[in-house]
Amino acid sequence: NAGVMQNPRHLVRRRGQEARLRCSPMKGHSHVYWYRQLPEEGLKFMVYLQKENIIDESGMPKERFSAEFPKEGPSILRIQQVVRGDSAAYFCASSPGAGVYEQYFGPGTRLTVT
Amino acid sequence: DQQVKQNSPSLSVQEGRISILNCDYTNSMFDYFLWYKKYPAEGPTFLISISSIKDKNEDGRFTVFLNKSAKHLSLHIVPSQPGDSAVYFCAASTYANSNSGYALNFGKGTSLLVTP
Repeated sequence: NAGVMQNPRHLVRRRGQEARLRCSPMKGHSHVYWYRQLPEEGLKFMVYLQKENIIDESGMPKERFSAEFPKEGPSILRIQQVVRGDSAAYFCASSPGAGVYEQYFGPGTRLTVT
Repeated sequence: DQQVKQNSPSLSVQEGRISILNCDYTNSMFDYFLWYKKYPAEGPTFLISISSIKDKNEDGRFTVFLNKSAKHLSLHIVPSQPGDSAVYFCAASTYANSNSGYALNFGKGTSLLVTP
């Protein structure tokens, strides 16, 4: 039973480029969450999605960031026109929903903006 | 605004002894609490959780205690093993009462070192 998969594991982008981070939830899980961890900080919630729906994006920066979870394929976190402050570890988590509250995390994507 | 606080950045314990990791929270609406363990360059791994209707939950060597009146929870690891050395994160959520639903609020973590 494969866990949550994220790719790429490491991503380097120059300022102004776009970053696309992918997340495949655990088998049977229909709820996906994205978190960001800055150095020396805890994880910060960004967005919560179900298939084809954004349920809660209260943690997403207002500009340049977007997320989707299409009917087919992985969830995508997209960062346009990256800046140095976007350098962080981005973690995806999934849960089966339906009253199960534990979230299971992927290994993360470490984004470095040069 | 840090709603979940882990005031000890690090903790060192001898193998075989008890490790106690502490966590405080400020939001009285939190009703579900979780502990995660994290190794460097890996994602957090779920350890144990507790609902606000309970004051204790136990799973093997791990026990979580919740004191709602003090807005405090703790994770006990007995006996501690060198493989337990990792960063431990406390997290909380407001499942029953929130339009932000399932978002987890994390503390900054406590780095546990278990020495042989």
